[in-house]
Amino acid sequence: QKEVEQDPGPLSVPEGAIVSLNCTYSNSAFQYFMWYRQYSRKGPELLMYTYSSGNKEDGRFTAQVDKSSKYISLFIRDSQPSDSATYLCAMNPITGNQFYFGTGTSLTVIP
Amino acid sequence: EPEVTQTPSHQVTQMGQEVILRCVPISNHLYFYWYRQILGQKVEFLVSFYNNEISEKSEIFDDQFSVERPDGSNFTLKIRSTKLEDSAMYFCASSEGTSNTGELFFGEGSRLTVL
Repeated sequence: QKEVEQDPGPLSVPEGAIVSLNCTYSNSAFQYFMWYRQYSRKGPELLMYTYSSGNKEDGRFTAQVDKSSKYISLFIRDSQPSDSATYLCAMNPITGNQFYFGTGTSLTVIP
Repeated sequence: EPEVTQTPSHQVTQMGQEVILRCVPISNHLYFYWYRQILGQKVEFLVSFYNNEISEKSEIFDDQFSVERPDGSNFTLKIRSTKLEDSAMYFCASSEGTSNTGELFFGEGSRLTVL
């Protein structure tokens, strides 16, 4: 059973669109949820993290966690060509140091 | 802005050779990690390290792998006898506290190619 599932895309949107990226997970012990952005051949860059359920907003980015559905989302408003990258969700339980990653969703924002 | 740095950026080696990948974590961070990403696949956890010892490791981290913090600043991953399937991007990461803080900072990676 896969721990974290993420649609790999690719996803292509016009500049200015709202982008919705999603992950589902199976392990109810996961408590911390992260979104990373990864440019080609670079390391993942932390965008946002949230603890347990709820929403968190940072500029054009909003992260949502629905633990009852085991579903997390990242919304990007007013998407820009510079947002073109692979977006990885990651999560871990309250104990242990192992982060579990999704496969990543490739996003292209077309000018 | 503080960052995790890794060397080399790319290493090509022959199967069976030993490889050492080096990392300098963010200076006030206490937890250190190695992850790897085989081309086109997920980022996978290898090992976490705290207080000069391994705190957690995955099934991937077998006897061919070892980690060390030799001098208080560098954090190294050694692969004793490389196999073709070890070809991947290896990412070092560090965090200020335990994974409970939720913030894990990655380096840019070391690409290992085993021929």
